[in-house]
Amino acid sequence: QSALTQPASVSGSPGQSITISCTGTSSDVGGYNYVSWYQQHPGKAPKLLIYDVSYRPSGVSNRFSGSKSGNTASLTISGLQAEDEADYYCSSYTSSITLVVFGGGTKLTVL
Amino acid sequence: EVQLVQSGAEVKKPGESLKISCKGSGYSFINYWIGWVRQMPGKGLEWMGIIHPGDSDTRYSPSFQGQVIISADKSISTAYLQWNSLRASDTAMYYCARQSWFCNNGVCYTRWFDPWGQGTLVTVSS
Repeated sequence: QSALTQPASVSGSPGQSITISCTGTSSDVGGYNYVSWYQQHPGKAPKLLIYDVSYRPSGVSNRFSGSKSGNTASLTISGLQAEDEADYYCSSYTSSITLVVFGGGTKLTVL
Repeated sequence: EVQLVQSGAEVKKPGESLKISCKGSGYSFINYWIGWVRQMPGKGLEWMGIIHPGDSDTRYSPSFQGQVIISADKSISTAYLQWNSLRASDTAMYYCARQSWFCNNGVCYTRWFDPWGQGTLVTVSS
């Protein structure tokens, strides 16, 4: 069982928007603004999409956005494209002894 | 271009030892922490530990403490992940990544992993 809870799967049609949630506790997501999101295509390494809850690294499309409310962080993808079909993981700093936690991952299907 | 290049896939038997590598380029290797992340077949990401190549300061996730050894050779900009006695349960993809890590008033925080190496597949089977 992962420390952060994500839905196992989400889906959407091209052009639509979807949101992936990432729920933790006050010891991680809720207590610090150190949430990051990663995209992983099959057989590929993860790629950083969002850091510090809502900041996009250079080169990442502005169709990806992040936010947080309480103990839940969210990744929103707008204007869905076929190439967005991938697994998405959230991560957070945690004040527990584990220091870093990941979500279990969400598989995005573009219909 | 900031890049991490990992060593190739390995097939080992239980009880054997193994050391995989992660070579950085395109940035000052000694100034950024390198983290290691495990991904078991069909599963999610698990943080294993981190090293600062500049002074070899190393931290481990409790789940991996005593199970693996993380090291680095700053002279060749390379970090390593090592096992002394592999188990079948070590079969997984292992990624290195440049990891944002900073300490303030004795508490250390992490913010992101970027970039990631391409991964090293380790298969342990008799």
